[in-house]
This record gives sequence, structure tokens and C-alpha cells, in this order.
Amino acid sequence: GAGVSQSPRYKVAKRGQDVALRCDPISGHVSLFWYQQALGQGPEFLTYFQNEAQLDKSGLPSDRFFAERPEGSVSTLKIQRTQQEDSAVYLCASSPDRGQPQHFGDGTRLSIL
Amino acid sequence: GQQVMQIPQYQHVQEGEDFTTYCNSSTTLSNIQWYKQRPGGHPVFLIQLVKSGEVKKQKRLTFQFGEAKKNSSLHITATQTTDVGTYFCAESGTYKYIFGTGTRLKVLA
Repeated sequence: GAGVSQSPRYKVAKRGQDVALRCDPISGHVSLFWYQQALGQGPEFLTYFQNEAQLDKSGLPSDRFFAERPEGSVSTLKIQRTQQEDSAVYLCASSPDRGQPQHFGDGTRLSIL
Repeated sequence: GQQVMQIPQYQHVQEGEDFTTYCNSSTTLSNIQWYKQRPGGHPVFLIQLVKSGEVKKQKRLTFQFGEAKKNSSLHITATQTTDVGTYFCAESGTYKYIFGTGTRLKVLA
């Protein structure tokens, strides 16, 4: 069985560009999370989906960040008008349901020049 | 706001020595999960604790949940080089997870 898949693994963008990060969760997993992890820090919660419903987006740093999961499986995290402080690893995790162990993808390392 | 602190931030041990990391919260925790992240890797789930005073063991790893559910610990007996990595605790809220600051373990052979 495949794990959580994220693409691209690495993304370099110029400041001001828009980027889109993709997450393919484990099939059948209801819960999907996005995290931002800065170097040497723990994962910081960004947003949570239960199926297609975005139930918590309190961690999104600004209105430049937008996430969707339209069919309750694949999710996309979009960052508009990127800034240097957006440079980080973006982790996606899924779990069978709320409160259960999370399975993380390898992350997308985003570098903003 | 909600914070989950871990101590120590770093720990260097000789192979064969024991290691303990502590997780402390300013609020009562509903449950706690522990994850391990190898250098360059992603967090991998280790265990979940739910009940007050709960103790769970996985081979050389012992996990404890405090009686007041405000703290937790992970103890590794006789560390091995394969134990290298950063250990995170994570508290779940209604929907979001708050990860601790992590303890980075280095094991010297």
C-alpha cells in the first residue's frame, strides 16, 4: 500500500510568484492535515480537512495561503505572492479518522529567492 | 495560547546510555502522541496515550502520561545509533494538533 505522496519534493520560486503543492493521502483516509516546518522546529499546524470539508484553517499564516480538497482525496496547498518567510518544508499528513495516528508524506521543501 | 514545551532541546548520549525527553503543557491534554523524525525525514508515529497515568512500552521505549494529563515522557533504555533523530510530542485538540518543540537526540558510538 502506498503512503502519503507529496509533489513536488523541491520547489524554488521567486518572491512574488504563486506556488501550488500537492498531497495524495492514503486511500480511504478521512482526515488530512497540512503543516509548515521551519528548520530545527516542530511541525506547525496550518489546516485540517475531514473529507472535503475544511474544518480548521486557523493555522494559515495569511490570506495568501489557501488549501482545498474538493473531492475528499487529493489536496492542494496554494501560496500566492510568495515571500521569503514562506521558505520551509510543507508536510501533509493523513489519518483514517480524527484522533488517530497521522501518516506523513516526505514533504515539499519550498525555497523563495 | 496553547503551548507544548519539550525538554531538553538537545541531548548527546554515549551508545548504551539511557535517554529521557519530557513534554509539558500549560493545559490539560486530551491525549498525546509521540513521533520520531530522522534527519532529512518526516515524522513517524510511535504511540498514542489517552488515559491519566498510562504507561506503554515498545521494546526499549517507555512512554508515560502524567496523572494530571499535563505532561508526558519518553524514555529510551540503552540507546543505539538507530535511535538518532528528533522526538516530538503532539497534542490533539478538536481538529488541530500542536506539536512540541522537539528533543534532538545524538548517539555517540
